[in-house]
Formats: sequence, structure tokens, C-alpha cells
Amino acid sequence: QVQLQQWGAGLVKPSETLSLTCAVSGGSFTGYYWTWIRQTPGRGLQWIGEMNRSGISSYNPSLKSRGTISVDSSKNQFSLKLSSVTAADTAVYYCARRTRLDMPWGVCWYFDLWGRGTLVTVSS
Amino acid sequence: DIVMTQSPRSLPVTPGEPASISCRSSQSLLHSNGYNYLDWYLQKPGKSPQLLIYLGSNRASGVPDRFSGTGSGTDFTLRISRVEAEDVGIYYCMQALQTPLTFGPGTKVDIK
Repeated sequence: QVQLQQWGAGLVKPSETLSLTCAVSGGSFTGYYWTWIRQTPGRGLQWIGEMNRSGISSYNPSLKSRGTISVDSSKNQFSLKLSSVTAADTAVYYCARRTRLDMPWGVCWYFDLWGRGTLVTVSS
Repeated sequence: DIVMTQSPRSLPVTPGEPASISCRSSQSLLHSNGYNYLDWYLQKPGKSPQLLIYLGSNRASGVPDRFSGTGSGTDFTLRISRVEAEDVGIYYCMQALQTPLTFGPGTKVDIK
């Protein structure tokens, strides 16, 4: 059974860098987009960005280039770094897998696997 | 960005009764290929979101057939034909047409 196991620092100081890692176990690392999503009571679910094994990536412009996602295929892991954090970055962060499905008239991608979430608090 | 809205935001339900959630997008989610790039997710209490419906009306693997998705363009509906106790949680619609992917604010479904 494919699982995503995530970890990282739960407390980060303002202006520092948030760092999270997600490991894929029990399945292939190829052919998916590996994604980070965060959730806050006030803003709900927010897509942060994603990357595939080939390094093709996309980010939410609202992060103003503070986010970096990297992929380590040798370890079946992907990571998120978010720089210059503020209290507004306090959230539960999820890693997720976006899977491609070929339909008769096109392609779709959907999130079919999620990590359990990591609460990250930004505070001094 | 495409803005997603949902109504109602809270929905008390009676087991065995139907329930319906509306989702609207600020831009059409109908692609030129004829598919509507709208997904529905359910986040059960204390859990991560799980996929229910993709492309507006396609049930994900393992999703009971009491769940159905309809709609096109900017207006979509998720229906539960007969609510069961295990259906409680927060339901989110999400547009998958373009990045940044965006979610609705969620509809909290609980038992009356």
C-alpha cells in the first residue's frame, strides 16, 4: 500500500525557513506530481506548489517566490522549503500525490494520496 | 486566480435523508475537451482530505454510489442520496483547470 510519510520542524521562528520532507513508500515515484498544500482555519486549503520527477514545477504566486520544492528520486522523497516565514504561514502542511488519468477526450490530474499533515507554528 | 465559493457553509443532516452542496467558480471550468475540471474532496474529522469526485461527475475508486456530482461551467453540485453517519466532515470543491489550483472554503456536514 502506497503511503506518504511527512516530517519536519513543528516550530519555526519568524523570518527563518520552514522545511518539510515527504517520503513515498510502497509505490513508484515516477509519473506523478508531488504537491504541498497547507490548511488554516482562516484561509482553508491552499495549494503551495508541485514538482514531478523530471523537475517540472509550479508554484502559487501568492507565496511571492518564497517556496521551493525539490525532489530526490534516489530516496523517493520530496521536500518543501518556505523562506522568510511569518505568523501567517502557521498552518497544517500536507504533502500529496497528484495522479494522471487519461480519459477518452483528455487528461485529468487529481489528488489521490495525502500525507497525515504536519502542524507548523511560526512563533518566536 | 479562480475563486471558488460554496454554499451552504454548514449543513446539518438527518441520516437517511438526501443532502446537496453547491459550488461556484469565478471562471468556467469547462475545458475545450469537454471536461469540467472540478473535483470534490471530503475531509473527515482529524483526517486528510480524500477524493470523492473528479472531472465534475466521476466517482473516485471506492466511493459509494450515494455520492454524485453534477454541473458544468461555473455551477456544480455534490449530492448525497442518503446520508450516513460516516459522511460527516468538511466537503471541498477544487478547480483543477489551471494553476494555482484553488479550493472552495468548505461545507461542514454534521448530523442533526
